[in-house]
Order: sequence, then structure tokens, then C-alpha cells
Amino acid sequence: DTGVSQDPRHKITKRGQNVTFRCDPISEHNRLYWYRQTLGQGPEFLTYFQNEAQLEKSRLLSDRFSAERPKGSFSTLEIQRTEQGDSAMYLCATADGFTDTQYFGPGTRLTVL
Amino acid sequence: TQLLEQSPQFLSIQEGENLTVYCNSSSVFSSLQWYRQEPGEGPVLLVTVVTGGEVKKLKRLTFQFGDARKDSSLHITAAQPGDTGLYLCAGASGDSNYQLIWGAGTKLIIKP
Repeated sequence: DTGVSQDPRHKITKRGQNVTFRCDPISEHNRLYWYRQTLGQGPEFLTYFQNEAQLEKSRLLSDRFSAERPKGSFSTLEIQRTEQGDSAMYLCATADGFTDTQYFGPGTRLTVL
Repeated sequence: TQLLEQSPQFLSIQEGENLTVYCNSSSVFSSLQWYRQEPGEGPVLLVTVVTGGEVKKLKRLTFQFGDARKDSSLHITAAQPGDTGLYLCAGASGDSNYQLIWGAGTKLIIKP
């Protein structure tokens, strides 16, 4: 257990529905990242927060995806009008302000039917 | 564009054998991390290497960062079935957002 938690662990939804995932970071970590990972591949960067500010967003990220970190602690990732291609593992990682090392949560496995 | 290439992509060996996994780039990294991931779980950090030429050992795992900080290797001695998993390397680009550049991973299977 790295101290990063994600909820839910699994989500099955029908195409066109909206889904929201939550990440709770290690308490003293001010940096938070969201990634998407498909089977057998490395994580693909989605977006990055430093405290409550969203500082970077992948150009590959469609406008159906939005993320927030309102108080600089937990974060949510919402996917609107889900598509089958959104099926993947969504990973959250956090880091302190001093090193490059990121600590991952267990992930949320999304299946869009 | 910075890229990290991992090789081999897939490796299946018998328990007790030794193996080496490579992570290569043409870019210089400020640090490099190795992670191990099991199916359905998030990646778990194994080690971070920072200094060119650095060698770190974690029980039967030996990690080396290249002198020029462009490449790294992971050597496992006397592999065990518990070593099975996806091994990922990630390099820190040194930019202000502390972004990591990820390899595609090496899927390792150790057969008893």
C-alpha cells in the first residue's frame, strides 16, 4: 500500500454514460497526476496538478475528460459520454515537491459496454 | 520527443535463471525509476537512480543507471515465480512539471 487510494476499483458502464473517479493522495504530496493505461502498455499521461492548479493537460485528451483538485487534496476525473475506446485502467500518482518519484494508487479499471 | 525503449518486450524463463531488462533512450534524464506492476494493480516503485553510473541493489535485483544518464538496466539473479510481472522504467525529463517519460514495459514470466 503506497498510501494513494482510488475509488472505485472497478467501474462498468454503458456507452454514453458519465463516470467519475476519485483519487486521494499521500497527505503531504502537492503534485498529482492522472494516467491511462491499456493492457501491456506503459501509463499514458493525461493531466497534472500542483496543489489545486491544473498545470498541464495532454493534447490527446478529448474535451469529454475533465479533472479537478478543488482544495489541493483529493482529485476527481470525469469522463462524459463514455465510448468503448475509453475502456482502460485509470491511474493516479502523487509526488512531493522535492523529487521526481511518483507513487501510484491501485487504479480504477473502466469497462465501457 | 523523448522516448524510452524497453527490451525485451516479453520474457519467459525458468525459475533460477538470471535475466537482464534494458531501458534505452537518446535523451538525458535527471533520474530514472523502475516500477513493477501486477495485473489489475498500479505500478509499485522499486528504485530511483539519480547519478550516472549508479548501481543499486534490492535483494536479487540490481539496477544500474548509465554513465551518461541515458539508459538503465535491471538484472535479476535466480529469478523466482514471485518476480513475475510487468517491469516499467520511467525517466524524469527535468522539466518544471516533473513529467515522467515511460517505457512500454517488459512482461516477465517466471515458470516454476
